[in-house]
Amino acid sequence: EVVMTQSPATLSVSPGERATLSCRASQSVSSNLAWYQQKPGQAPRLLIYGSSIRATDIPARFSGSGSGTEFTLTINSLQSEDFAVYYCQQYKDWPSFGQGTRLEIK
Amino acid sequence: QVQLVESGGGVVQPGGSLRLSCVASGFTFRSYSMHWVRQGPDKGLEWVAVISYDGGNKFYADAVQGRFTISRDNFKSTLFLQISSLRDDDTAVYFCARSENGYDNWFFEVWGRGAPVTVSS
Repeated sequence: EVVMTQSPATLSVSPGERATLSCRASQSVSSNLAWYQQKPGQAPRLLIYGSSIRATDIPARFSGSGSGTEFTLTINSLQSEDFAVYYCQQYKDWPSFGQGTRLEIK
Repeated sequence: QVQLVESGGGVVQPGGSLRLSCVASGFTFRSYSMHWVRQGPDKGLEWVAVISYDGGNKFYADAVQGRFTISRDNFKSTLFLQISSLRDDDTAVYFCARSENGYDNWFFEVWGRGAPVTVSS
């Protein structure tokens, strides 16, 4: 089982600033890494797959990077609608998710 | 538009059973692998099961192996999850989700809104 660990648990950032979220895998997952955004009462929304490929209709301010065991989601120029919980997920092995990072308004 | 709509959730006693359904629309259902993913109260996401596009292959998370059964009806564009021998820790919102085919493409492009399942006596 591949264990995904996200940091920090909570990130406080001001609107207009940049947010950097981290995700670490317990073993290499190559580039088989996705990021999701989830707002209260809603289903997750795919943002990034293949570590760095933006999903359909995802704004360019969202970018992903990394390979192997270390990954980063960067959100530039934070908008009010970006404050949510973010999950990483690996699909190199049986799918597994990180525990999430809550992005809150500073 | 592309849509997944779950139904069948509810309150069930420990040891009981329930059948969840997920109706797909707006895409060629029979061309995609389909999954169930759950989220416990104030918890993260947990992958539950997958079924291949033709129903020929099914895989389960260890936590549900032997208790849950995933199936599909491609003529009715519907995905199912039969859940039995329910335990308290099965309480969750159950999402159906679509992925491309092939185990190295199991990220989830489309999600339903979820069906809540509560295990309680």
